[in-house]
Amino acid sequence: AQTVTQSQPEMSVQEAETVTLSCTYDTSESDYYLFWYKQPPSRQMILVIRQEAYKQQNATENRFSVNFQKAAKSFSLKISDSQLGDAAMYFCAYEGGRDDKIIFGKGTRLHILP
Amino acid sequence: SQTIHQWPATLVQPVGSPLSLECTVEGTSNPNLYWYRQAAGRGLQLLFYSIGIDQISSEVPQNLSASRPQDRQFILSSKKLLLSDSGFYLCAWSEGDGYTEAFFGQGTRLTVV
Repeated sequence: AQTVTQSQPEMSVQEAETVTLSCTYDTSESDYYLFWYKQPPSRQMILVIRQEAYKQQNATENRFSVNFQKAAKSFSLKISDSQLGDAAMYFCAYEGGRDDKIIFGKGTRLHILP
Repeated sequence: SQTIHQWPATLVQPVGSPLSLECTVEGTSNPNLYWYRQAAGRGLQLLFYSIGIDQISSEVPQNLSASRPQDRQFILSSKKLLLSDSGFYLCAWSEGDGYTEAFFGQGTRLTVV
């Protein structure tokens, strides 16, 4: 069965600095997608970035980028120039397999220090 | 454009009472549908997912059930709520023809008293 592990329950970063959130996953599939979601205090889930497993190039969305290491089954999120509005819970997610189910990690709560 | 509606936003129910949470999607057909529960320290736990009518898979054995009476409607139910059923419930959908991200409803905060 597929699993997603986020080993950092909480992290803090100074405003304008860079922070990296870790995520590892386990799967026997070769084709799948990986996602990072942000959940602010409103609890609305917001997609931050997505990565297709067949693409070697790391995805980038403005200040957000990923380091995708397929062989190591690692998918970390880097946030550059952290802003106060980045404070939220961040979830790593995996989608793959015949049934298309999407599973999430336990999340990392990110604090931004002014 | 596609939208997802989930209701109610907040619910307080006594132990032993029934539950029905509804979720509908507009603007797409044959979506994959999901129910998640978010409890403190456990992240987003997948409860049920459906890739079509009459195709519902359960991930966690418990006293909850799910139904999909129409293509774009997903219902989470319980006959008798337990205190441990309290939590934040999220409905989501994704495109049915390939891997795409999930789009989430606003969530339901359920408190069982």
